Amino acid sequence: EIQLQESGPGLVKPSQSLSLTCSVTGYTITSGYDWSWIRKFPGNKMEWMGYISYSGSTNYNPSLKSRISITRDTSKNQFFLQLNSVTTEDTATYYCASNYGYPNWFAYWGQGTLVTVSS
Amino acid sequence: DIQMTQSPASLSASLEEIVTITCQASQDIGNWLAWYQQKPGKSPQLLIYGATSLADGVPSRFSGSRSGTQYSLKISRLQVEDPGIYYCLQGYSAPWTFGGGTKLELK
Repeated sequence: EIQLQESGPGLVKPSQSLSLTCSVTGYTITSGYDWSWIRKFPGNKMEWMGYISYSGSTNYNPSLKSRISITRDTSKNQFFLQLNSVTTEDTATYYCASNYGYPNWFAYWGQGTLVTVSS
Repeated sequence: DIQMTQSPASLSASLEEIVTITCQASQDIGNWLAWYQQKPGKSPQLLIYGATSLADGVPSRFSGSRSGTQYSLKISRLQVEDPGIYYCLQGYSAPWTFGGGTKLELK
């Protein structure tokens, strides 16, 4: 069964970069589907941030386009989120997710990781 | 971006009650609409996709419908395990956008 798990620092200082890893087991990320990052803010608003496809192409939310980068390490079956110049407004729970088995829909999610931006 | 207006923001209902949550899309999105349930401390779970299709393993008391650009999630008989936050998601065009969420509690 496919599983996704996020990892990374839980605290980031303002103006620095946020970096998270999503480790995937049970499926090879280069075999198919899209691999997304989604975040949930305090107060429950959800935002799709972007994805990297199985072919390596990326698609980002225009609201983040100047700050976001999604990359991958195919040898480790991992993909990564980097968000630059963070502010306190980037404090959120970050999820990695995939449309595995359900093209166009986020069917599989990691457990989420809380990232707090604070000095 | 396509805006998804979800209502109500919160609701309290009794066991076995029928519950309906709605999402209004800011433009035509066809059947490109999904519903998710999120329980505390858990990640969102896909309930409905394509506006009306039930995801694998989801109880049949959940159903989805569409009328124009308004979409509804119905829980036919509320069960003790159903409280949580429910979200709609449009998958018609990027950036994919979520509704604001509905917090469902047991009365």
